[in-house]
Amino acid sequence: NAGVTQTPKFRVLKTGQSMTLLCAQDMNHEYMYWYRQDPGMGLRLIHYSVGEGTTAKGEVPDGYNVSRLKKQNFLLGLESAAPSQTSVYFCASRTKGFGETQYFGPGTRLLVL
Amino acid sequence: LAKTTQPISMDSYEGQEVNITCSHNNIATNDYITWYQQFPSQGPRFIIQGYKTKVTNEVASLFIPADRKSSTLSLPRVSLSDTAVYYCLVGLIGGYNKLIFGAGTRLAVHP
Repeated sequence: NAGVTQTPKFRVLKTGQSMTLLCAQDMNHEYMYWYRQDPGMGLRLIHYSVGEGTTAKGEVPDGYNVSRLKKQNFLLGLESAAPSQTSVYFCASRTKGFGETQYFGPGTRLLVL
Repeated sequence: LAKTTQPISMDSYEGQEVNITCSHNNIATNDYITWYQQFPSQGPRFIIQGYKTKVTNEVASLFIPADRKSSTLSLPRVSLSDTAVYYCLVGLIGGYNKLIFGAGTRLAVHP
């Protein structure tokens, strides 16, 4: 049982390039989330999904797209990376239910030059 | 979602009890209080959650007064490995569970 895993761990992009971050969970959780964390700040919600085939916007969705084609995977895409998207990205998942907590992945560190 | 206010940083020494207080004046009736811990280069990890009075688990205790406008996370006998950032979150824990993270409290435990 690996929990929540994220791929890649670290990536450097040039402005304008695109990339996809992969989040996978093996806990059969219904809900999945993508956050970003800037230095010295708390986490901010980018997008989330409450089930396979559904996604919704969080606090800071601009510049990102997501897809949840399979229950265990949640993909975060950057179509045209900008330096302002330099951050650490965390994925999380939780089961459906009242009071359930979120389980976070180890993070992906992204540097956009 | 209710906004929370916590101290930016705290210092302690090994073996001491640490209490971190969080203010959440606008907490709603259906809101729960949740605390997460985050080590450098790792994702946040759930510590404890409560609605009112006192909750205790193997890691910490959470004290919530009757008016629920604040809460206190208590870490007994801290060690160096408890050095981390601690986040207090308030929100409806159900539905989509959209957590709002503040800047957290940076706890430094010294030898």
